[in-house]
Amino acid sequence: DQQVKQNSPSLSVQEGRISILNCDYTNSMFDYFLWYKKYPAEGPTFLISISSIKDKNEDGRFTVFLNKSAKHLSLHIVPSQPGDSAVYFCAASARMTNFGNEKLTFGTGTRLTIIP
Amino acid sequence: DAGITQSPRHKVTETGTPVTLRCHQTENHRYMYWYRQDPGHGLRLIHYSYGVKDTDKGEVSDGYSVSRSKTEDFLLTLESATSSQTSVYFCAARRDPSTDTQYFGPGTRLTVL
Repeated sequence: DQQVKQNSPSLSVQEGRISILNCDYTNSMFDYFLWYKKYPAEGPTFLISISSIKDKNEDGRFTVFLNKSAKHLSLHIVPSQPGDSAVYFCAASARMTNFGNEKLTFGTGTRLTIIP
Repeated sequence: DAGITQSPRHKVTETGTPVTLRCHQTENHRYMYWYRQDPGHGLRLIHYSYGVKDTDKGEVSDGYSVSRSKTEDFLLTLESATSSQTSVYFCAARRDPSTDTQYFGPGTRLTVL
């Protein structure tokens, strides 16, 4: 049972445009969400996170939006740059339920390609 | 990068042989994790540790064991490797107990023939 879903395996976006990556979750106990970026032959790197008490978090070109009623989050990258080409994973945890023992559940990833 | 290194970075072994992967961290992180990454599955948790000698199973723990005898080292052992354990293995550590953000090592590519 995939509790965190990234339904788009790949996405291509023109350089300078907005990239929107989507993620859906089914577990209503999830209350903390993260995005990671992964380049080939490297480990995932943390990008941005959001707590369920917020609906938006912004860090430079990256913004994460959370819609709790729809159990949906999205990552916006504006403007997109060639260096953003990577695989993006969303992840979720249930902090209040598993306090002291938090684990992350990851989606399957979306490969983003920025076209120059 | 949370000071995490993994060794070896690449390994090829044969079915039935034991394999141990090492994760080493230099920043005194309490929580450490082992994941495997496979196409179509993303990152799946194998085992994790919440302190020296304190470990627990993740969602895909069958065929794997772990040990943590000191804070800086977290070992993943495949007692008898199978071809289904061919994968890329990532170690992670949680730096700040007030968040769930985990920081990952560079990975170990394991091929079981």
